[in-house]
Amino acid sequence: DIQMTQSPSSLSASVGDRVTITCRASQSISSYLNWYQQKPGKAPKLLIYAASSLQSGVPSRFSGSGSGTDFTLTISSLQPEDFATYYCQQSYSTLVTFGQGTKLEIK
Amino acid sequence: QVTLKESGPVLVKPTETLTLTCTVSGFSLSNARMGVSWIRQPPGKALEWLAHIFSNDEKSYSTSLKSRLTISKDTSKSQVVLTMTNMDPVDTATYYCARIKVVAAFSMDVWGQGTTVTVSS
Repeated sequence: DIQMTQSPSSLSASVGDRVTITCRASQSISSYLNWYQQKPGKAPKLLIYAASSLQSGVPSRFSGSGSGTDFTLTISSLQPEDFATYYCQQSYSTLVTFGQGTKLEIK
Repeated sequence: QVTLKESGPVLVKPTETLTLTCTVSGFSLSNARMGVSWIRQPPGKALEWLAHIFSNDEKSYSTSLKSRLTISKDTSKSQVVLTMTNMDPVDTATYYCARIKVVAAFSMDVWGQGTTVTVSS
């Protein structure tokens, strides 16, 4: 199975900060990388698909980049509603895998 | 409007078989550009993909759970069913189904609200 490793596991930041979360795949996954946001008690929400495509309805402060094995999710200016846990997911292999999550907390 | 809704028992006993149903609306399970995944999340832990199924009946299963899982679909009922045998307390989790969008890098673009399953005697 392809292993997905996110860093950091947790992050404290302030409203207005620029934040970057990294996801690394154990082998090349081309651009088959998706990002999700999950708030407590809620289902995950798709933010970015195919590494850099913004899902409809998602604010433009969210962006994704990367290909191969290294990917990033960037939030350009944190808003109060962005404090949540973020997961990357590879869909290159039919055996889908998620990262372990990055919890974004208020500083 | 696309929706998915999970249903099934809230409580199961160890060694029992869990059967979960995902009822979808707003799209057809015969649509070649769509599929359905099952994902679970133990309390306080990360998301874990379990299985998926596509319109052509192509299926895949988590390597670690493959021997215990079966996924199937009933297109006429708009339902996807997941069974998991030999349940154990470590299988206590919230179970989600989600739509897979083939043309969007097989991403899961719409999720159900989840159903919480507790395994206890």
